[in-house]
Order: sequence, then C-alpha cells, then structure tokens
Amino acid sequence: DQQVKQNSPSLSVQEGRISILNCDYTNSMFDYFLWYKKYPAEGPTFLISISSIKDKNEDGRFTVFLNKSAKHLSLHIVPSQPGDSAVYFCAASEDNAGNMLTFGGGTRLMVKP
Amino acid sequence: DTGVSQNPRHKITKRGQNVTFRCDPISEHNRLYWYRQTLGQGPEFLTYFQNEAQLEKSRLLSDRFSAERPKGSFSTLEIQRTEQGDSAMYLCASSSGTLPSPLHFGNGTRLTVT
Repeated sequence: DQQVKQNSPSLSVQEGRISILNCDYTNSMFDYFLWYKKYPAEGPTFLISISSIKDKNEDGRFTVFLNKSAKHLSLHIVPSQPGDSAVYFCAASEDNAGNMLTFGGGTRLMVKP
Repeated sequence: DTGVSQNPRHKITKRGQNVTFRCDPISEHNRLYWYRQTLGQGPEFLTYFQNEAQLEKSRLLSDRFSAERPKGSFSTLEIQRTEQGDSAMYLCASSSGTLPSPLHFGNGTRLTVT
C-alpha cells in the first residue's frame, strides 16, 4: 500500500520553462511534506518543505503547493535549469518534525538546454 | 560541517555473512535515521535515534537487522545472515530536531549480496 505516489516516472522540460512535479498521498494523518532532489551516487538533498497548515511555500525558483482536500502536492521549478536534472522525491510525515518519512517513488526530471 | 558520512561506500558480501555499516552524523545533530532504498524506489524508513535512545525500530525489516548508537554520536547498522534480497542502498540521515528539521542524508552504503 503506497501512501505516497509519484505517478510520473519521468519528465522532460526545456531550459527556462516551468517544471511541475506532482505527488499524491492517501494518509490523511500526514502533517509535513518535503521535496528532495537526488543526483546519481549521492544521497537525497533537501529542497523545500510545507506544513499542512499552509497551502504554498516558496524558496527562490522552487514553490511547493499543497491541496489537502485533494491530497495532492506539487513542486514548481521556474525557470528550469540543466543543473536541475535529477530524481525528485516527495516525502511526508505524520509529525511536524519530519521523523519517519514516507517517500514516493521519485520522478526523473531532465532539463534540456 | 562536513555533512553525514557513511562507510563503507560499497560492500559486497556472500549470502549468509554478517555486515555492519557505520554512519557519522553532522556533529550538532541529535537525531539519526536509517533508510533503505532499492532500485527504482524511494527511501524506506527503518529506524531512528534521538541521542542514544532508539525511538522507533518496528520498521526494521526483520530480526536480522539491528542498529545501535551507543554514545549518541555515530551509529552502526548490522545485518546478520545476509540474503540476496538485502541488496540495496542503505542511507543514513541526521537532523537537529528543532522545527522545522529536514533530514540531511549521507551518500549511502551500497550493499550487494551474492
């Protein structure tokens, strides 16, 4: 039973355009949501997070949107850059400290120059 | 701040052998986590510590898996009697515990069981 799902295994975007990565969850107890980026042979790197009391959080080129009624999370990257090419994981936790994260399966983003 | 350090980076072992991995967290972080990642999947939570106390271990995959953090600093993850299905990337992460406290991951130990 996958509680966090990323239904698009890959996404290709032109440099300078917007990248939108999506994530759906089923557990209504999730309280804290995060996005991580992973390059090959490295561990995941934290990008941005959002608490369930918010519906949007922005950090530079990265914005996370949370739609609690739809149990849907998205990450917008604008403008996309070739260095953004990586695997992106969304993750969720039932506590706001981010312990015991449940991860989605990841989406591979390719940004073409 | 040198980040989370994991050793070894790669481990190849024969089925039935025991293996132990080490994780050194970011020095001021009091929480330490172990995750496992198999090919094409996201990381899967195994266990975590606050200082030397193991606060959650029910997600360890079987009784062949155990973790310790004896002095609240580095941690070890041991797998006894390895099986081919244990082949995966084992990731360690740490956090400060203050809110919000995103996890900082190491580069992992890749285990191959032949």
